[in-house]
Amino acid sequence: DAGVTQSPTHLIKTRGQQVTLRCSPKSGHDTVSWYQQALGQGPQFIFQYYEEEERQRGNFPDRFSGHQFPNYSSELNVNALLLGDSALYLCASSLVDGPYEQYFGPGTRLTVT
Amino acid sequence: AQSVAQPEDQVNVAEGNPLTVKCTYSVSGNPYLFWYVQYPNRGLQFLLKYITGDNLVKGSYGFEAEFNKSQTSFHLKKPSALVSDSALYFCAVRLSLTYGNNRLAFGKGNQVVVIP
Repeated sequence: DAGVTQSPTHLIKTRGQQVTLRCSPKSGHDTVSWYQQALGQGPQFIFQYYEEEERQRGNFPDRFSGHQFPNYSSELNVNALLLGDSALYLCASSLVDGPYEQYFGPGTRLTVT
Repeated sequence: AQSVAQPEDQVNVAEGNPLTVKCTYSVSGNPYLFWYVQYPNRGLQFLLKYITGDNLVKGSYGFEAEFNKSQTSFHLKKPSALVSDSALYFCAVRLSLTYGNNRLAFGKGNQVVVIP
């Protein structure tokens, strides 16, 4: 039973560039959430997708956008990268009908220079 | 605002001694509470949850947590700590019980150091 997978593992980008991160949920899961974890901090919720729609959004600017595909996989896009976007980006999957714990992938480490 | 707080930055414990990691919550209504552990350069691993029922919940790797409504706490415990338990521990609360919304709010995390 495959867990949550994310790609790439590491990424280095320059300020102003755009980046796309990818996530495949745990087998059978239908809901994908994205979190940003800055160094030394707890994860901060970016947004959540269910049935290919953004269901909830955290306090992140419109530069952060996402998508969920019919196979439940998801992408996180960040435009006009800032130095402050450097962080570990975590994808988590769950079932909308419960149980409600989320299962996390290993994350993508984004460094913006 | 609904949130969790982890008041300690680091918890040091000798191997074999009991381990406690503290978490308090502030929510309206019945809380859905979770504990996760994170090893260096890794994602978060689910340990246990409280949704309803018994106040003492048991989870993975010998961990358990006690839900205390009067003290609004959800402390993580392990009777005998192992060196391999050294990691970063996060408490989290589900912010909305609306169908389809599974957003979690995390505490700042507690670094646990188990001393051999």
